[in-house]
Amino acid sequence: NAGVTQTPKFRILKIGQSMTLQCAQDMNHNYMYWYRQDPGMGLKLIYYSVGAGITDKGEVPNGYNVSRSTTEDFPLRLELAAPSQTSVYFCASSYRATNEKLFFGSGTQLSVL
Amino acid sequence: GQNIDQPTEMTATEGAIVQINCTYQTSGFNGLFWYQQHAGEAPTFLSYNVLDGLEEKGRFSSFLSRSKGYSYLLLKELQMKDSASYLCAVRFMTTDSWGKLQFGAGTQVVVTP
Repeated sequence: NAGVTQTPKFRILKIGQSMTLQCAQDMNHNYMYWYRQDPGMGLKLIYYSVGAGITDKGEVPNGYNVSRSTTEDFPLRLELAAPSQTSVYFCASSYRATNEKLFFGSGTQLSVL
Repeated sequence: GQNIDQPTEMTATEGAIVQINCTYQTSGFNGLFWYQQHAGEAPTFLSYNVLDGLEEKGRFSSFLSRSKGYSYLLLKELQMKDSASYLCAVRFMTTDSWGKLQFGAGTQVVVTP
């Protein structure tokens, strides 16, 4: 049981490049989330999904896109990377939305130069 | 988003007790979580409070007062491995939201020998 698997762990992008952060969970969780964490700041929700085929914006969605074609996978796409997207990205999942704790992936350190 | 306030940093000696406070706006409150995050790692779940009172789990306890918009995490018998950031996260229900988590910026606890 691997939990939440995120790849890559580190990535450096040039301004204007695009990339996809991968996230997969094997716990049959319905809810999946993408957060970003900047130094000294709380986790900010980028996008979330309540099940396959259903996604919605969080607090800071601009510059990102997501898809959820299966229960297991929830990739995050960065189009036209900007320095403001330099951050640590965490994928998380939970079985339900209310009193369920989040299970986090190990994170992706992204630098846009 | 809603404001969630917690101290930036606290320092304590090994074996001592530290109390980390978290305050939040009471409107729409629907549960409070505490997560621990070691440097360079993902957050991990510590505790969940939705009703007033104290929840105890070994050396860690979490308290909630819904009317005051206040929670604290109590760490007893501090160990060096407790040096980490402690994140307060609150679930708020609104008319257009099923209750996504709002994270505080985290409290860095430094345990000294």
